[in-house]
Amino acid sequence: EAGVAQSPRYKIIEKRQSVAFWCNPISGHATLYWYQQILGQGPKLLIQFQNNGVVDDSQLPKDRFSAERLKGVDSTLKIQPAKLEDSAVYLCASSLSPYSDTQYFGPGTRLTVL
Amino acid sequence: AQTVTQSQPEMSVQEAETVTLSCTYDTSESDYYLFWYKQPPSRQMILVIRQEAYKQQNATENRFSVNFQKAAKSFSLKISDSQLGDAAMYFCAYRSPSGGSNYKLTFGKGTLLTVNP
Repeated sequence: EAGVAQSPRYKIIEKRQSVAFWCNPISGHATLYWYQQILGQGPKLLIQFQNNGVVDDSQLPKDRFSAERLKGVDSTLKIQPAKLEDSAVYLCASSLSPYSDTQYFGPGTRLTVL
Repeated sequence: AQTVTQSQPEMSVQEAETVTLSCTYDTSESDYYLFWYKQPPSRQMILVIRQEAYKQQNATENRFSVNFQKAAKSFSLKISDSQLGDAAMYFCAYRSPSGGSNYKLTFGKGTLLTVNP
């Protein structure tokens, strides 16, 4: 079974530029999560999708971050414009359903904002 | 809001020996899930072990076991016969079984485990 795929693995941009990350969850997984992991901390949930609908985006900085999950499969997370404090690893995870107790994580994208 | 605390930023263990990583959490719920995830330098979070709060028996997965003390809200991870491949950042995480936004995982800050040959 293929795992959660993410791209790119690394991205370096200057502040005020825009960037987008892509995630492909495990086939058949209805629930998709985006986490932000700042260096030295545990992951923090940014947004949760159930199929193509948003379940929770309470911690997403909506003035600069946006995310979508068209057709309920792949998802993209965008930052526009980026700030220095957005430097972090962005992790995507998926689960069979929101009731599933196990989330499966992708390898993450390390973003550096200069 | 639920919080997860890992009081040991770093731990080290000799190869083949046993090490215990600590985790405490705060919740007002009676039923929930607890997890230990491993994050090697490759950054991919790997599930190590999970515990359902309504189960009194401590979970075990090969060399990994937990000591779940519900009343004390403590959830420690014991790694027996430590191997070089166990070196990683370990995160304790909490999840409520109820609906809506509570399905999210709340993570601690992590414990960096070094295994010395």
